[in-house]
Order: sequence, then C-alpha cells, then structure tokens
Amino acid sequence: NAGVTQTPKFRVLKTGQSMTLLCAQDMNHEYMYWYRQDPGMGLRLIHYSVGEGTTAKGEVPDGYNVSRLKKQNFLLGLESAAPSQTSVYFCASSYLAPGADTQYFGPGTRLTVL
Amino acid sequence: GQQLNQSPQSMFIQEGEDVSMNCTSSSIFNTWLWYKQDPGEGPVLLIALYKAGELTSNGRLTAQFGITRKDSFLNISASIPSDVGIYFCAGQGSWGGSQGNLIFGKGTKLSVKP
Repeated sequence: NAGVTQTPKFRVLKTGQSMTLLCAQDMNHEYMYWYRQDPGMGLRLIHYSVGEGTTAKGEVPDGYNVSRLKKQNFLLGLESAAPSQTSVYFCASSYLAPGADTQYFGPGTRLTVL
Repeated sequence: GQQLNQSPQSMFIQEGEDVSMNCTSSSIFNTWLWYKQDPGEGPVLLIALYKAGELTSNGRLTAQFGITRKDSFLNISASIPSDVGIYFCAGQGSWGGSQGNLIFGKGTKLSVKP
C-alpha cells in the first residue's frame, strides 16, 4: 500500500513549455486534489475531483487543467508554463468529502519555470 | 473569500518547553484540522476537530475548536527535537460544493533554539 505517489519529484521547465504531473493513489479514494505551496504560504487548492470522470475548480485554477480518467489517477497539466507557476505541487486524496475524512498527501513535486 | 490567520509565523523551542499556536478566521468553519509538514514531505494530519468547543488530544498534542467556530488552537507539551517542522491549520466551511474545500493557514514554523 503505497498511499499517494507523485511523479516526477523535480522538474525544471522553460517558459512556454508544457508538462503533466501524475498523482496516483491505491486507497480506492473517491476524492482527489491538487494544491500548490509557495514560500511562506499555506496550501492553495488548484483543482479537485469528487470521482472518476469529474473535475472542479479550486481557489487558483488559472493556467492549469486536470483530468480524472481513472479513479486512482489525477493528472495536472500546464499547457504553457509561466515563472509564476514555480511552486511545490501536492496531490491529496480522501475517501469522503473534505472535513468528513482525512486528506492524505503525496510527497510533492518541486517545479521550477525559468 | 475565507481566510485564516495563523500565529505565530515562527517560533523557537527548547526541549521540554510547551508550545502554543492558534488560527483565527473571519468566517465560521465546520471543521478544524491541524497538519504537520516536515522538510521535503507532504503535510500529515495531526488532529481533526468536528464540533464547536471540542478538545482533542493526540499524545502530547492538544487542540481545541473554538466556541465561536472562528478559531482553533494547538498546544504541544514537553516539546522534543522531532517536533520541529511547519504546522498548518486548515478549516472547512459549508458542506458540499467549493465551500466544502479546505482553507489552509500560512503555517507556524517551529525551530530549535540555538
């Protein structure tokens, strides 16, 4: 039982490049989330999913897209990376809705956009 | 939107000291959560509070859900070196929809006194 895993762990992009971050969970959780964490800030929700095939916008969705084609995977895409997207990205999952259940976090992906 | 004010931003501890931190909000929350994040890791849930006035302990950690539902505190008794890290509070508002997502404080960084 690996919990929540994220790939890659580190990535450096040039402005305008695209990439996809992969999150996988093996706990059969319905809910999955993508957060970003910037220095001196708490986590801010980018997008989330309440089940396979569904996605919804969080607090800071601009510049990102997501897909949940399989229940265990939640992909975060950057179509045209910008320096403002330099951050640490965390994926999380939970069985029940936020507040009703623990969110389990992955180890994070550190992204630098030059 | 909903915001959380977490204080102090940072503090130094000496082994054996008690530590206290708190979060306040301008909005009412239904759930308060306290997470700890170690360097290079994702946040890990410490304590979850679901009812106004609730006082919950987890080992040396004690947290309370304020009566007004707009604040929460976390106490760590008899601190040890492995307590260092960043502690985040998180609140959850109304059930369902985007209002049900977690809002995170900016964190309290615990360091060891030199």
